[in-house]
Amino acid sequence: DIVMTQSPLSLPVTPGEPASISCRSSQSLLHSNGHNYLGWYLQKPGQSPQLLSYLGSSRASGVPDRFSVSGSGTDFTLKISRVEAEDVGVYYCMQALQIPYTFGQGTKLEIK
Amino acid sequence: EVQLLESGGDLIQPGGSLRLSCTASGFTFSNYAMSWVRQAPGKGLEWVSALIGSGESTFYADSVKGRFTISRDNSKNTLYLQMNSLRAEDTAVYYCAKFWVAEFDYWGQGALVTVSS
Repeated sequence: DIVMTQSPLSLPVTPGEPASISCRSSQSLLHSNGHNYLGWYLQKPGQSPQLLSYLGSSRASGVPDRFSVSGSGTDFTLKISRVEAEDVGVYYCMQALQIPYTFGQGTKLEIK
Repeated sequence: EVQLLESGGDLIQPGGSLRLSCTASGFTFSNYAMSWVRQAPGKGLEWVSALIGSGESTFYADSVKGRFTISRDNSKNTLYLQMNSLRAEDTAVYYCAKFWVAEFDYWGQGALVTVSS
């Protein structure tokens, strides 16, 4: 199975400041079609997970442009340029290159 | 608007059986692979099972293989998860999720399954 490792697991951030979450996979997530099969999700308190980005670097519809994603192969990063109160929750990366699909442990972002 | 609505969650004794349902609307259900993802209390997300649009191919996590069965009725726009031989460690919120390209683009609100005597 592909192991997904996120860091940090806890991320206290002052509003207006940037934040960054790392996600590493035990195998390359680069598909033969040239896309990375890596997605990011945010689970806000008391809610279901929601898609933030797909194929490694594309923002999902409706996601604010203060969110950016990058990376390829085994190393990926989610960045928030200026954290807002509504960004609190747990962020997960997930690989969909091979079954079983696997998630990172989650990174809990909280406001200082 | 895409909507996924799970039902069937309950308190069940160890060794018992339960069937979850997920009713979909707002998209052509038969065109998309679907999955179940679960979340134990206070824990992270765990992919459980998936099947393609036609329902002909199914996939399972090792933790549920041989005990859970995923199926779908495209005429009813409904996804199912039959869970047998339930264990305490199966206690979780179960989400159904629509698969698109290489990610889950829509999730249901979840159904709570509690396995306890």
